[in-house]
Amino acid sequence: DAGVIQSPRHEVTEMGQEVTLRCKPISGHNSLFWYRQTMMRGLELLIYFNNNVPIDDSGMPEDRFSAKMPNASFSTLKIQPSEPRDSAVYFCASSGQDQPQHFGDGTRLSIL
Amino acid sequence: SQQGEEDPQALSIQEGENATMNCSYKTSINNLQWYRQNSGRGLVHLILIRSNEREKHSGRLRVTLDTSKKSSSLLITASRAADTASYFCATDAPSGTYKYIFGTGTRLKVLA
Repeated sequence: DAGVIQSPRHEVTEMGQEVTLRCKPISGHNSLFWYRQTMMRGLELLIYFNNNVPIDDSGMPEDRFSAKMPNASFSTLKIQPSEPRDSAVYFCASSGQDQPQHFGDGTRLSIL
Repeated sequence: SQQGEEDPQALSIQEGENATMNCSYKTSINNLQWYRQNSGRGLVHLILIRSNEREKHSGRLRVTLDTSKKSSSLLITASRAADTASYFCATDAPSGTYKYIFGTGTRLKVLA
């Protein structure tokens, strides 16, 4: 089992640029989560997909953030335009029905 | 919010000693989970305890749950240097939704 795979592991870009984070969930898992982790706010749920459908995006900070899940094996989180306050570690997690979440190793994003 | 709050924020012990971390939460839950996060890595699920359970064991881990006090504890016995990590509790919503709220974490350092 390869686990949840996120790319890139690190991203450094200038403010105003578009950032795309990618996630491959564990095969067979039907739930996918995007989280953001910062020292100040801890781990925050951004969006939750079930069977590729966005169920809860109430944690998405603002319209600059968008997420898609075109199929069961791929999801993206996009920030456009990016701002320095978006700097954080972004995690993707997946789970099966009523199962614990499995996390990827995250993308460390720095917006200059 | 039903965010869990871990206590202490940081803990430093000698190898071989026991480590106890506590989690308090605000509203009724169906279950509570504990996760570990090594530096630069994603969260790893350790153990889940349901609201009708009072104690659960897994290897060197012992978790207790007191729903009347809305608190849980995680005990790691005979700690090892490899246990050095941050530990988080996560609580679900009473309606049994997918949404878990993660606490602020306890940073454990085990000295060899």
